[in-house]
Amino acid sequence: GQQLNQSPQSMFIQEGEDVSMNCTSSSIFNTWLWYKQEPGEGPVLLIALYKAGELTSNGRLTAQFGITRKDSFLNISASIPSDVGIYFCAGNNAGNMLTFGGGTRLMVKP
Amino acid sequence: NAGVTQTPKFQVLKTGQSMTLQCAQDMNHEYMSWYRQDPGMGLRLIHYSVGAGITDQGEVPNGYNVSRSTTEDFPLRLLSAAPSQTSVYFCASSYSPSSGTQQFFGPGTRLTVL
Repeated sequence: GQQLNQSPQSMFIQEGEDVSMNCTSSSIFNTWLWYKQEPGEGPVLLIALYKAGELTSNGRLTAQFGITRKDSFLNISASIPSDVGIYFCAGNNAGNMLTFGGGTRLMVKP
Repeated sequence: NAGVTQTPKFQVLKTGQSMTLQCAQDMNHEYMSWYRQDPGMGLRLIHYSVGAGITDQGEVPNGYNVSRSTTEDFPLRLLSAAPSQTSVYFCASSYSPSSGTQQFFGPGTRLTVL
């Protein structure tokens, strides 16, 4: 089946630093989604991207839909302790299924 | 609105036992799905439903059954539990998956099979 490669697998950063993570696929997707999961909870949608080249922000978060439609990027500026969690990318190709990446575990040192 | 609810929150089974994980949503969503989450593997789709009476297999359906008799409920059944089914299970719902609309996730069921 389709696979999404998400990197890095984990990050341990200092509060105030910027964070970048990405997701790549061997297949084209029509939609890219970024979710955040906190311990003991289900994932929550952060940003949805619907068009190649699209750049969308949600507060300190910015995500981009790659031009090739095979990748997407998420940046977090000026990280704070509550940014801690696992960030997942997910892709949809107009079918009925979402494919998820393996996640990036973010840890922030105050 | 309660959103997506799942019961139980935790469950321990012995190999060979059967059980049903419950999922309900009160948002009148047509699309519902079940995922399992294993360390380092993200979420993998088990089964999904695009409406009452309609179900289909996802990426990892073996060992699981589902049914959708109402819009609100989408139970997941393990017929004969195996240790490989130890995982965290999430139910999700949305208006439609094909446009990438937001899926709302439940809080999860943590299942251990001994």
